[in-house]
Amino acid sequence: RKEVEQDPGPFNVPEGATVAFNCTYSNSASQSFFWYRQDCRKEPKLLMSVYSSGNEDGRFTAQLNRASQYISLLIRDSKLSDSATYLCVVTAMDSNYQLIWGAGTKLIIKP
Amino acid sequence: EAQVTQNPRYLITVTGKKLTVTCSQNMNHEYMSWYRQDPGLGLRQIYYSMNVEVTDKGDVPEGYKVSRKEKRNFPLILESPSPNQTSLYFCASSLWGVDTEQYFGPGTRLTVT
Repeated sequence: RKEVEQDPGPFNVPEGATVAFNCTYSNSASQSFFWYRQDCRKEPKLLMSVYSSGNEDGRFTAQLNRASQYISLLIRDSKLSDSATYLCVVTAMDSNYQLIWGAGTKLIIKP
Repeated sequence: EAQVTQNPRYLITVTGKKLTVTCSQNMNHEYMSWYRQDPGLGLRQIYYSMNVEVTDKGDVPEGYKVSRKEKRNFPLILESPSPNQTSLYFCASSLWGVDTEQYFGPGTRLTVT
């Protein structure tokens, strides 16, 4: 079983819709959680950190469910520019200096 | 401008010919790392460095070497490249480790024939 699992998609969504991604992780001891965004053939960039209490940044909301070991990302009022691959990232089980990356969920926003 | 630079951006080489991919950051970051990205797989860490002269293996270190002689530079060395090292490589840095934002270089697309 992969340590971080994501639905690869692609998710084809009309502009303006709300879309949600989930990510599950296997290490119950993980302490830090993130969502990164990666445009085609470009470098990943931090979208947001994920906190236990949940957090929101504009149209984006991230939530953490430690009991079920999953992280979610909600995008409201989706824009064409939201088209990208979204990477779920958690800290590794046996190291304080490593991150485990999901393979990503591809999102395509259609006009 | 704060950034991570990598060179070269594209490289096609032959099996066994030693190569180095350079990585440099101008943000005075302590932590640097190298990843490879292959289709259908997440980023996999090759090596990381917590500080100058301190490096450690990631998940896929076989066939790679690194060094951290200066804080800003973290080159990746392939002593004898093989076709299974064909991949997209990213260098990343962060202020002090994995709990802070990772800043990535633009990537190096390596093809080994």
